[in-house]
Amino acid sequence: LAKTTQPISMDSYEGQEVNITCSHNNIATNDYITWYQQFPSQGPRFIIQGYKTKVTNEVASLFIPADRKSSTLSLPRVSLSDTAVYYCLVGDMRSLSGTYKYIFGTGTRLKVLA
Amino acid sequence: NAGVTQTPKFQVLKTGQSMTLQCAQDMNHEYMSWYRQDPGMGLRLIHYSVGAGITDQGEVPNGYNVSRSTTEDFPLRLLSAAPSQTSVYFCASSLSYLQTGTNEQYFGPGTRLTVT
Repeated sequence: LAKTTQPISMDSYEGQEVNITCSHNNIATNDYITWYQQFPSQGPRFIIQGYKTKVTNEVASLFIPADRKSSTLSLPRVSLSDTAVYYCLVGDMRSLSGTYKYIFGTGTRLKVLA
Repeated sequence: NAGVTQTPKFQVLKTGQSMTLQCAQDMNHEYMSWYRQDPGMGLRLIHYSVGAGITDQGEVPNGYNVSRSTTEDFPLRLLSAAPSQTSVYFCASSLSYLQTGTNEQYFGPGTRLTVT
């Protein structure tokens, strides 16, 4: 299983772009990269998932370099409501067992300041 | 759709008591799972199911039982509660990658359990 490493915490100001990087040096060929967001007292919420290059949706962008040993979640123009914990997960989602071999680490605690 | 629902929201048990945490989803999802989250920690997988009648163990299964008799419901049973099981429990469901191209999991609101 690919282990991930993320910064424990980050601070940002409203309106700034926030980039959270995740290291996954032993990512396997079939592994995908997934990011979840968790607000206090709530379950995690899926943000974005990708395999290589760049993926963008209405909430965030995910940048994955060619070697796939790291990935960066980019949140454009954050607001106070983006204060949350962000988890990076790596795993093979195509297999039945792979789907549930994802490991939620301790995540990155993002605090957005006014 | 109500999504994933969990009951109760809060529960206090004494050591040795048993109870069942309920989880239901109305999205016709094949996959369901149970996680626990200890203070300041990430989520750890307890048990999961890939369909009615099929369950398997996750990372921390000891002290917990599950069954899945219907697609909608996936209850988690604590056999003999211990203080180490004090945690927040989350249930999640998802479709398979083959159906959606992702394995996005939908999480319930959680059950906060305290064992004294």
